[in-house]
Amino acid sequence: GENVEQHPSTLSVQEGDSAVIKCTYSDSASNYFPWYKQELGKRPQLIIDIRSNVGEKKDQRIAVTLNKTAKHFSLHITETQPEDSAVYFCAASTPGRRALTFGSGTRLQVQP
Amino acid sequence: GAVVSQHPSWVICKSGTSVKIECRSLDFQATTMFWYRQFPKQSLMLMATSNEGSKATYEQGVEKDKFLINHASLTLSTLTVTSAHPEDSSFYICSARAGQGSYTEAFFGQGTRLTVV
Repeated sequence: GENVEQHPSTLSVQEGDSAVIKCTYSDSASNYFPWYKQELGKRPQLIIDIRSNVGEKKDQRIAVTLNKTAKHFSLHITETQPEDSAVYFCAASTPGRRALTFGSGTRLQVQP
Repeated sequence: GAVVSQHPSWVICKSGTSVKIECRSLDFQATTMFWYRQFPKQSLMLMATSNEGSKATYEQGVEKDKFLINHASLTLSTLTVTSAHPEDSSFYICSARAGQGSYTEAFFGQGTRLTVV
């Protein structure tokens, strides 16, 4: 089945800097790649997603890039703010299996 | 966005008892819901896919007789942890995707923190 790997596991940046989180997936049939933000004790919230027929998507300070050939996708957060501090999960799903397979998570800490 | 409600938010039970967790899609119908388990500081691990009107599909290594799933309607799925033991203590969270398309957003319940003593 699908395997999603995520790096780094922890990331500490200064406020205003950029943060990049990278994921790779194993199943070439995967066609949907969402990113979730989870604050302590809370439910995961979708922050951005990308389809397999798109190479890049941007929403204000957040962008996601997808390289289908290499089977990896990345989350880019620019001008980070303390409220960006949380755990971020990448995920992937295939058309036939609608359950999301999650990466291991990245704990982002933005230092004021 | 759509709302998925999970109840209870937390529960403490004695070893050997059973606990039922409910997951409801409040403003959309979900033919499929997903149950995940999350250990502290770890990822969400899929336990099973709950299918309305039919048997759940369990992931490898998940005991179907221990984690009973019932999806009796298009808006409600339940997870019952039977004969709970301390090692079952965890954060359980459900999810549902609105519609049938490949690109629909997955919405999550608020999760249930189970502590077995």
